[in-house]
Amino acid sequence: SQELEQSPQSLIVQEGKNLTINCTSSKTLYGLYWYKQKYGEGLIFLMMLQKGGEEKSHEKITAKLDEKKQQSSLHITASQPSHAGIYLCGADRAGGTSYGKLTFGQGTILTVHP
Amino acid sequence: GAVVSQHPSWVICKSGTSVKIECRSLDFQATTMFWYRQFPKQSLMLMATSNEGSKATYEQGVEKDKFLINHASLTLSTLTVTSAHPEDSSFYICSARTDRQETQYFGPGTRLLVL
Repeated sequence: SQELEQSPQSLIVQEGKNLTINCTSSKTLYGLYWYKQKYGEGLIFLMMLQKGGEEKSHEKITAKLDEKKQQSSLHITASQPSHAGIYLCGADRAGGTSYGKLTFGQGTILTVHP
Repeated sequence: GAVVSQHPSWVICKSGTSVKIECRSLDFQATTMFWYRQFPKQSLMLMATSNEGSKATYEQGVEKDKFLINHASLTLSTLTVTSAHPEDSSFYICSARTDRQETQYFGPGTRLLVL
């Protein structure tokens, strides 16, 4: 079965600093999703990547999927306290034929100090 | 757009009772809904996949007789935890998607505490 490993597990940064969260898969990624979760709340969709080398940005958050499609990174530029939360990567199982069944990484807890 | 709601947001019940959780897609028709469970400080684990008008498919290790899922319409799926026990206490989150979009949109979650 596919496993997703996120690093780091937690991250504390000062407001204004840049940061990167990585998501590494044991198998080829056919659909990679990034979500943000506040503790005890639902998931907020950030971005989805499918093609090797693909890069997407939304406001100050950029996500990339490497050419080999086994690793994705999420980069936040000039972090703000509002970026704090748990970042989860999720991947479609079984080569994209699983019709939306996602496997999630363990999450990265981000704390941003003002 | 793409809003998913859950009700209730939290519930406390006695051991042995049944609890129903609703998941609704508010502004789109969801052909598929998913139910996840999340234990404290852990990631989401898929429990089952629910397709409108057909039986849900359960992940390995999830008891289908304990977690009854009904996807009665394109905007509503329900999860019933039957004869709940303290070990069923968890955070239950649903997600929804259509056939035409690959993105899943998640509900706000339901926190269940079984005493």
